[in-house]
Amino acid sequence: GQQLNQSPQSMFIQEGEDVSMNCTSSSIFNTWLWYKQDPGEGPVLLIALYKAGELTSNGRLTAQFGITRKDSFLNISASIPSDVGIYFCAGQTVSGNTPLVFGKGTRLSVIA
Amino acid sequence: SAVISQKPSRDICQRGTSLTIQCQVDSQVTMMFWYRQQPGQSLTLIATANQGSEATYESGFVIDKFPISRPNLTFSTLTVSNMSPEDSSIYLCSGRTGIAEAFFGQGTRLTVV
Repeated sequence: GQQLNQSPQSMFIQEGEDVSMNCTSSSIFNTWLWYKQDPGEGPVLLIALYKAGELTSNGRLTAQFGITRKDSFLNISASIPSDVGIYFCAGQTVSGNTPLVFGKGTRLSVIA
Repeated sequence: SAVISQKPSRDICQRGTSLTIQCQVDSQVTMMFWYRQQPGQSLTLIATANQGSEATYESGFVIDKFPISRPNLTFSTLTVSNMSPEDSSIYLCSGRTGIAEAFFGQGTRLTVV
């Protein structure tokens, strides 16, 4: 099946630093989504991207849909302790009622 | 986005028994999905719950082990049957309203002893 390669697997950063993570695929995706999951909770949608080249922000978060449609990145600026969690990229290869494919996640730790 | 209520939030079950997990959405959704997630790992799709018909299962998952119901556009259940310790995991339901964005319940943490 489809696979998303998400990196890095984990990150330890100082509070206030910027963070960048990305996902790549060998296949073209029509949609890229970024989720955050806190312990004991389900994933929460952060940003959704629908067009190649699209750059979308949500507060301190910015995500981009790669021009090749095979990659996406998520940036977090000026990290704070509550940014701690696991971030997942997800994508949909075709439009319509097909399930999302998830990356393996990036575990973010913020040191105050 | 819609809100999904999933229950139970956690359970400890004896091997050989079955557990049914319920997922209730506060508005109609076109698609519902069930995922399994090992702690600290990614999400693995179990099946797509189809309203009024049999669920569509992913490779490695079968109806006898994971029967799914979806009687209407706001409710679905997943049963984990004849449980073994290998079934210990987090089970998540997800809903979608027609576009790619999907939202999730808070998950059910299952421990089989």
